Amino acid sequence: NAGVTQTPKFQVLKTGQSMTLQCAQDMNHNSMYWYRQDPGMGLRLIYYSASEGTTDKGEVPNGYNVSRLNKREFSLRLESAAPSQTSVYFCASKQGPDREQYFGPGTRLTVT
Amino acid sequence: GEDVEQSLFLSVREGDSSVINCTYTDSSSTYLYWYKQEPGAGLQLLTYIFSNMDMKQDQRLTVLLNKKDKHLSLRIADTQTGDSAIYFCAESKVDYKLSFGAGTTVTVRA
Repeated sequence: NAGVTQTPKFQVLKTGQSMTLQCAQDMNHNSMYWYRQDPGMGLRLIYYSASEGTTDKGEVPNGYNVSRLNKREFSLRLESAAPSQTSVYFCASKQGPDREQYFGPGTRLTVT
Repeated sequence: GEDVEQSLFLSVREGDSSVINCTYTDSSSTYLYWYKQEPGAGLQLLTYIFSNMDMKQDQRLTVLLNKKDKHLSLRIADTQTGDSAIYFCAESKVDYKLSFGAGTTVTVRA
């Protein structure tokens, strides 16, 4: 099992450009999550999908959109990137409530 | 997340014990977790404790839970250089989410 995979690993964007971060899991998990990690702030939840076909906002959803394409894949889109979106983005998945979340390796995004 | 608080830095000598502390706010949390993040990597679950337990031991790791004070701690015995990392405390929420602390950076010095 590959676990949770994310692409790309690194990305540099100019302000105003768009891009989609991809995430896939092969553990047949129901729930998937997108977080951003900034120094001194821990992980903040952007969006999550409790099950296939549903998505919900987390703490910091502004400037992002998500798509739960199928049970395996959950993508995060930045429509018009801003320097404040420079961060490390982590995707995670878990089977259900009160279960461990498994994390991907992260995408390091810089917006100039 | 502002629901979970932890100190930001800890420096410890190799071979000593490390203690990382965390406070949380949601008394309905059923599980509390400790994750470890090594440089340039994602988070890996180290250990967890169910809310009806006071203590859990797993090899060099000991988790203590004080539900009355909503205080969680992680003790690492015989700390090694490979234990240098960021440690995150997290509490489970009823709506499938976890709330994370800001992370404690542990530096092990020789």
